[in-house]
Amino acid sequence: QKEVEQNSGPLSVPEGAIASLNCTYSDRGSQSFFWYRQYSGKSPELIMSIYSNGDKEDGRFTAQLNKASQYVSLLIRDSQPSDSATYLCAVIPRGNTDKLIFGTGTRLQVFP
Amino acid sequence: GAVVSQHPSRVICKSGTSVKIECRSLDFQATTMFWYRQFPKQSLMLMATSNEGSKATYEQGVEKDKFLINHASLTLSTLTVTSAHPEDSSFYICSATTLAGVADTQYFGPGTRLTVL
Repeated sequence: QKEVEQNSGPLSVPEGAIASLNCTYSDRGSQSFFWYRQYSGKSPELIMSIYSNGDKEDGRFTAQLNKASQYVSLLIRDSQPSDSATYLCAVIPRGNTDKLIFGTGTRLQVFP
Repeated sequence: GAVVSQHPSRVICKSGTSVKIECRSLDFQATTMFWYRQFPKQSLMLMATSNEGSKATYEQGVEKDKFLINHASLTLSTLTVTSAHPEDSSFYICSATTLAGVADTQYFGPGTRLTVL
């Protein structure tokens, strides 16, 4: 079992819709969770971090964490074509102070 | 804030030569810097973790004698790919964490695309 799993996609949504991206992780003791966006040929940029169960909102983005079920999700409201990118879920497992474990990413396509 | 730069952004070299990539934190002191490698259509794979003034910690399967990491100051880390071969062609990305922000948040540099002929 991979440590961090994501559906590779592509996930296609129409402009203005809500895009829902999901991620599961294997280490139940993980404490820190991150979503990064990566455009083709570019490096990842941080969208959100989340540490506690529940929702965390930042503009059009909402991260959701459920430690009991070991999943973290990212919702993008009012999706725009500029949101088309690969979204990487990353986790810091228990015992690691700062080493990120990345999922393979989900490619999102927002069509006009 | 929390800007990380890399130089060069792109490099092409001949097989057998060595290539040095610099990673700098521009507006903060980086407690830890990380080096990743990303092959096409794959996720980021951590190569090594480095702290200023100490030896880097390499991930399993990464040759420390081939990928030399020097972290001479709190704002600069370098990765040298020695005796590069075509299979080393990849996208190399560094990241850094800062004491000033959330301790475990990594800020990524723009990456260096290495092509070995």
